[in-house]
Amino acid sequence: ETGVTQTPRHLVMGMTNKKSLKCEQHLGHNAMYWYKQSAKKPLELMFVYNFKEQTENNSVPSRFSPECPNSSHLFLHLHTLQPEDSALYLCASSSLLGSAGYNEQFFGPGTRLTVL
Amino acid sequence: GENVEQHPSTLSVQEGDSAVIKCTYSDSASNYFPWYKQELGKGPQLIIDIRSNVGEKKDQRIAVTLNKTAKHFSLHITETQPEDSAVYFCAAPQEYGNKLVFGAGTILRVKS
Repeated sequence: ETGVTQTPRHLVMGMTNKKSLKCEQHLGHNAMYWYKQSAKKPLELMFVYNFKEQTENNSVPSRFSPECPNSSHLFLHLHTLQPEDSALYLCASSSLLGSAGYNEQFFGPGTRLTVL
Repeated sequence: GENVEQHPSTLSVQEGDSAVIKCTYSDSASNYFPWYKQELGKGPQLIIDIRSNVGEKKDQRIAVTLNKTAKHFSLHITETQPEDSAVYFCAAPQEYGNKLVFGAGTILRVKS
């Protein structure tokens, strides 16, 4: 256990569905991340939240909508997805050291998403 | 921005042999280089990292070397065991902020 949990672990959805992925970290970290892992691009950063504020949106389509209500929880809301969005979605967290430090990112087990 | 290239994409070794995975990076200002291991059904987990003020770091059977002049760093696993079979990722920081850029990954298979 890394201290980062993700639910659900598996999700199958149709293109017209709306679903949400949940991530929770129990490590006292103040930065959280969403990554997409697929065969084409193994670890692709999607969003970064520092102290609950979004600091990075890596040109992610608007059908993916993140939400960070507090430093321990991160959501990814999904709507009108495409089959090419099928992938493993990983959440990670880390402790910020300021601009000069890069701390270890702790990953959750991921949600395997299949879009039909 | 940072660009990280990782080789080889797959690596098969006999149990007990050594394995070496290499990465190159583009931003000479990068100063932190982690290696992650991802086992089947799990998220990536940090196994070792190195900062730019040292050239080598060891932790039991794994070691990382860094050549800042050539802008490359390598993961060395000695006395490989079947449980070392996994996907390994290298990473380097983006030019600003707390983001990491990951290599494409190496599938390591240790044959017993």
